[in-house]
Amino acid sequence: KQEVTQIPAALSVPEGENLVLNCSFTDSAIYNLQWFRQDPGKGLTSLLLIQSSQREQTSGRLNASLDKSSGRSTLYIAASQPGDSATYLCAVFGNEKLTFGTGTRLTIIP
Amino acid sequence: KAGVTQTPRYLIKTRGQQVTLSCSPISGHRSVSWYQQTPGQGLQFLFEYFSETQRNKGNFPGRFSGRQFSNSRSEMNVSTLELGDSALYLCASSLGSGGGNEQFFGPGTRLTVL
Repeated sequence: KQEVTQIPAALSVPEGENLVLNCSFTDSAIYNLQWFRQDPGKGLTSLLLIQSSQREQTSGRLNASLDKSSGRSTLYIAASQPGDSATYLCAVFGNEKLTFGTGTRLTIIP
Repeated sequence: KAGVTQTPRYLIKTRGQQVTLSCSPISGHRSVSWYQQTPGQGLQFLFEYFSETQRNKGNFPGRFSGRQFSNSRSEMNVSTLELGDSALYLCASSLGSGGGNEQFFGPGTRLTVL
């Protein structure tokens, strides 16, 4: 059974800092990994999708990496802004469904 | 291009009642998946529909059911509601079924069972 873990559960950093969010998964037999953000009480916004054959994806200030063999992914956020405050979720696609981590609640301090 | 839409956005029901939630996928997307989000269990997969057929189902009781129409819109039904069914129900659409397809989520339906 796939298990996805995100550590830390919460993170606070001053505005302008670069930061890294971590995601680990137990079963490396995945098709892809997706990073989402969720604002309080809202749905999920897709940030980046990494196919299993890829090592990383970039979108603006965001960069996500994938090491399938070690079961790890990181989301790098450069020059953080208060608007980046949200819960970040990673999810792996395997066994015909997405399995989500529990998320990292990120707070950017102005 | 319009995103995934879900109706209604909020629902309040009492125990024992039943409820139907609706999801309209992004135009051209043929796969719709449903998820339940609670503070205790996080996001859990309910089921996926593709071309009007249920392709996969999570570990939820038979009170949870769904269907998909020929225009790819999907409905989810929960019968005999229990307090523990209170949750945010999210649907996601993708172009196709299976791996490799990016999932796009709607804003969710917040269900409260009293």
